[in-house]
Amino acid sequence: DIQMTQSPSTLSAPVGDRVTITCRASQGISIWLAWYQQKPGKAPKLLIYKASSLQSGVPSRFSGSGSGTEFTLTINSLQPDDFATYYCQQYDSSYPTFGQGTKVEIK
Amino acid sequence: EVQLVESGGGLVQPGRSLRLSCAASGFTFNEYGMHWVRQAPGKGLEWVSGIDWNSDNIGYADSVKGRFTISRDNAKNSLYLQMDSLRAEDTAFYYCAKDITRLGNSRMWNYWGQGTLVTVSS
Repeated sequence: DIQMTQSPSTLSAPVGDRVTITCRASQGISIWLAWYQQKPGKAPKLLIYKASSLQSGVPSRFSGSGSGTEFTLTINSLQPDDFATYYCQQYDSSYPTFGQGTKVEIK
Repeated sequence: EVQLVESGGGLVQPGRSLRLSCAASGFTFNEYGMHWVRQAPGKGLEWVSGIDWNSDNIGYADSVKGRFTISRDNAKNSLYLQMDSLRAEDTAFYYCAKDITRLGNSRMWNYWGQGTLVTVSS
């Protein structure tokens, strides 16, 4: 199985900050990586796919980059609605796997 | 509007069975792969199983292989998960999720249901 490791596990930042979350794969996955946002009690929401493609309806302050084994999710100008947990997910293999999540908290 | 509505969760004793259902609407169900993803309370996400649009390709996580069976009824726009020999570690919210790729199986999901809670306990 491909292991996905996110860092940090928790991130505290004020509204307006730029934040970056890193996701590393245990082996190369090309660009087959997605990012999801999840709020308490809700289902995950797709933000980014193919490492850098913005899902329809997602604000442009979200962006993704990377390929191979290292990827990043960046949120420019953090908004109150962005405080949530973020997960990366690889879909290169027939056994999709997630990172452990990064919780973004208000500072 | 795409809607996915799970049902069938509840409290069940270890070793017993449960069948989850997911009713889909708002898209051409028989053109998309469908999956189950679970989340233990307070924990991360875990892919459970997936089935492509015509049921030709089916996959399971190692943790449920041999105990869970995924199926779909395209005439009823419905997805199912038969869960047998349930264990305490199967306790989780179970989400039904729609694959993003028409007539494909990318194993990445652009719509999710609200989830149904399965609790395995004596």
